[in-house]
Amino acid sequence: QKEVEQNSGPLSVPEGAIASLNCTYSDRGSQSFFWYRQYSGKSPELIMSIYSNGDKEDGRFTAQLNKASQYVSLLIRDSQPSDSATYLCAVNHPPNSGGYQKVTFGTGTKLQVIP
Amino acid sequence: NAGVMQNPRHLVRRRGQEARLRCSPMKGHSHVYWYRQLPEEGLKFMVYLQKENIIDESGMPKERFSAEFPKEGPSILRIQQVVRGDSAAYFCASSPRTGKTEAFFGQGTRLTVV
Repeated sequence: QKEVEQNSGPLSVPEGAIASLNCTYSDRGSQSFFWYRQYSGKSPELIMSIYSNGDKEDGRFTAQLNKASQYVSLLIRDSQPSDSATYLCAVNHPPNSGGYQKVTFGTGTKLQVIP
Repeated sequence: NAGVMQNPRHLVRRRGQEARLRCSPMKGHSHVYWYRQLPEEGLKFMVYLQKENIIDESGMPKERFSAEFPKEGPSILRIQQVVRGDSAAYFCASSPRTGKTEAFFGQGTRLTVV
């Protein structure tokens, strides 16, 4: 089982619709969760972080976390063509014996917003 | 990702040469992560370093690859005797500490082995 799993897509949504991106993780002790956006040929850009169960909203973006189900999602409301990118889910592992936490990324979901 | 500086942005090496990729973290950040990304694929973890200390190198190939983050200066990812399969984008990210803190990425170095 992969540590962080995402559907590779592409996920196609019409402009103005809600895009829903999903991610599951295997390590039940993970504590911190992040969503990055990566445009083709560019580096990943952090767009959301979430640490507690429930929803966290920032503008058109809402991150949702359910630790019991080991599931994190990203909703993008009023999707725009400029949102077309690959969205990477990232998870902080529980601390190792030295107290350090490694971040693991999913392979990403490609989102296409159709004008 | 402002502040994490990677150089060079593009690097071309012939098979058998050495490649050195540099990463200067954001000011105040003492944790550095290196990732490799092949075209149309996801980010693959390579190594996690703190200054003068390798925390986790479980993603690093055992041969030809090494990384360091000295007390002074940038973090260096070194690939000896490069092969065509090493051609990829190499991204560095930094964070101020381990734990909840988010990591920010540099622009990446695109290595091409000819």
